[in-house]
Amino acid sequence: QVQLRESGPGLVKPSETLSLTCTVSGDSMSTHYWNWIRQPAGKGLEWIGRMYLTGSTDYNPSLKSRVTMSVDTSKNQFSLKLTSVTAADTALYYCASCRGGRCDFFDSWGQGTLVTVSS
Amino acid sequence: EIVLTQSPVTLSLSPGERATLACRASQSVTGYLAWYQQKAGQAPRLLIYGASSRGTGIPDRFSGSGSGTDFTLTISRLEPEDFAVYYCQHYGSSPMYTFGQGTKLEIK
Repeated sequence: QVQLRESGPGLVKPSETLSLTCTVSGDSMSTHYWNWIRQPAGKGLEWIGRMYLTGSTDYNPSLKSRVTMSVDTSKNQFSLKLTSVTAADTALYYCASCRGGRCDFFDSWGQGTLVTVSS
Repeated sequence: EIVLTQSPVTLSLSPGERATLACRASQSVTGYLAWYQQKAGQAPRLLIYGASSRGTGIPDRFSGSGSGTDFTLTISRLEPEDFAVYYCQHYGSSPMYTFGQGTKLEIK
């Protein structure tokens, strides 16, 4: 089973860009879709977007104008950038995978990384 | 966009009892319905996919059922480690993934 680990700054200033990286191990990056999901403290889960190695991306319409995902296969990593952040973007950010042949559920998750938006 | 509503918000039961958690969709959905368990301080863990198939390593006391707009997660006999928050999740066209707001299963 694939293992995932998120990394990135824990504090971002309002109006700046949030940047996170997820490092993948245990399986080929070519057989999965790679996702970002977030969870504000004490609240539910929100899917941010997904990408495939071909460069194909799909984003949550509510965040689409601010989200960019990319992949670096040489490092077994994929990344998230979220621009113009506000306090509402403060959350625990998870990377998660779903299988390329059936990507309707998330079978592996990272442990999550907390991002706080504050000046 | 499909909205998933979970009930109850909180369920108080004792170990050994049977738990029944509901997830209702705002419109009829395909079988792309999954359930996750989230313990405090941990990432969600996949329990059920395709409405009724158990994930890898999931004990058989967990079962999923339902179709159309109404889905159920049943835990046949609660173990102490089962007390957690449970989320349902749907995969729809576009694509788009939506989650329910969660049900907290607490010890009575």
